[in-house]
Amino acid sequence: AQKVTQAQTEISVVEKEDVTLDCVYETRDTTYYLFWYKQPPSGELVFLIRRNSFDEQNEISGRYSWNFQKSTSSFNFTITASQVVDSAVYFCALSEMMGTSGSRLTFGEGTQLTVNP
Amino acid sequence: SQTIHQWPATLVQPVGSPLSLECTVEGTSNPNLYWYRQAAGRGLQLLFYSVGIGQISSEVPQNLSASRPQDRQFILSSKKLLLSDSGFYLCAWSVRMNTEAFFGQGTRLTVV
Repeated sequence: AQKVTQAQTEISVVEKEDVTLDCVYETRDTTYYLFWYKQPPSGELVFLIRRNSFDEQNEISGRYSWNFQKSTSSFNFTITASQVVDSAVYFCALSEMMGTSGSRLTFGEGTQLTVNP
Repeated sequence: SQTIHQWPATLVQPVGSPLSLECTVEGTSNPNLYWYRQAAGRGLQLLFYSVGIGQISSEVPQNLSASRPQDRQFILSSKKLLLSDSGFYLCAWSVRMNTEAFFGQGTRLTVV
């Protein structure tokens, strides 16, 4: 069975600090996809990134960066120079195939990030 | 562009009452559709998914059921709510094969 572990339940930082959110996954699939979502206080999940298992290149998008390490089954998320608006719950997720017609996501328990001014 | 609508945003229902939450997707065809629940903690639990009209798969045995009467409509129902059904319910859609899912704004259900 697939599993996603986000060991950090809560993280609190001061604005402008860098912060890394950890994600470790388990899967027997040779091809799979990993995702990060942000859930602000409003509740809606906002898609941030998708990464496939064949692409271990790190990705940067503005203040966000992602480090995919297949050897350690990790897909960590770093926010540089954090801002108060980054405060949210962040979820890591792993795709699982459902036959040939689709896939579904297995989510970690989430990390509550609080950025204090 | 694709959009997903979910309603109502909040709902307070007495124990034993029925439930119907509706979700519709616009701007796409044959989406995969999902219902997730987020309880008091933060984890998201997949309740149902559907790969086509009338095709529903249940992940967790429970007091709830789902239906997909039209290609882009997904309904979550219960005949008699329990206190334990309280939570935040999220509908989502995706195209097939390992693409990201896009979520609705959620329904916060409180059973009293």
